[in-house]
Amino acid sequence: AQTVTQSQPEMSVQEAETVTLSCTYDTSENNYYLFWYKQPPSRQMILVIRQEAYKQQNATENRFSVNFQKAAKSFSLKISDSQLGDTAMYFCAFSRYNFNKFYFGSGTKLNVKP
Amino acid sequence: DTEVTQTPKHLVMGMTNKKSLKCEQHMGHRAMYWYKQKAKKPPELMFVYSYEKLSINESVPSRFSPECPNSSLLNLHLHALQPEDSALYLCASSQAGTGGIDTQYFGPGTRLTVL
Repeated sequence: AQTVTQSQPEMSVQEAETVTLSCTYDTSENNYYLFWYKQPPSRQMILVIRQEAYKQQNATENRFSVNFQKAAKSFSLKISDSQLGDTAMYFCAFSRYNFNKFYFGSGTKLNVKP
Repeated sequence: DTEVTQTPKHLVMGMTNKKSLKCEQHMGHRAMYWYKQKAKKPPELMFVYSYEKLSINESVPSRFSPECPNSSLLNLHLHALQPEDSALYLCASSQAGTGGIDTQYFGPGTRLTVL
């Protein structure tokens, strides 16, 4: 069975600062995908960043980057230069290769303060 | 274009009503999903259709009935719901096993209230 754990229910960061959200997962699979999704209050869930397990290089999308540690089964999200629009619930998700099911973590509520 | 649309945005229904939620995507995706999401919780998978066939049913009560008329459309038929079924219902789609990373793209959801 696959499990995803987000140990930080809520975090706050000042605008323009950097914050890191943690995610750990448990799997016996070798080939899988990891995702971070963002869900702003009363708004649509959107993909932030994704990582294929076979790729050693950490994914980066503008201000968002991940620290993927396969051996440690850790997949943290770093947000640089935080903006007010980054305020949202962030969900970490795991998917096995070629299998249509996501396993979501419980989410981290991020508040960006002016 | 990564758009998944859902109608209606809001729905209020009584426990004896029959209603349907609709989802549409035009990205050529061959997998579509229904999720239920309670406030401040992650989405819970309900159903997955892959190439218009039901491939995953997460032991959802029969008062929820999915339908996939074609590769672009997904419906969720509701009948005799309970107040605890009140939630945000999310639709998502993905390319479905065509190789590579299979990212799910979500719609805005239908906020359902059962009275």
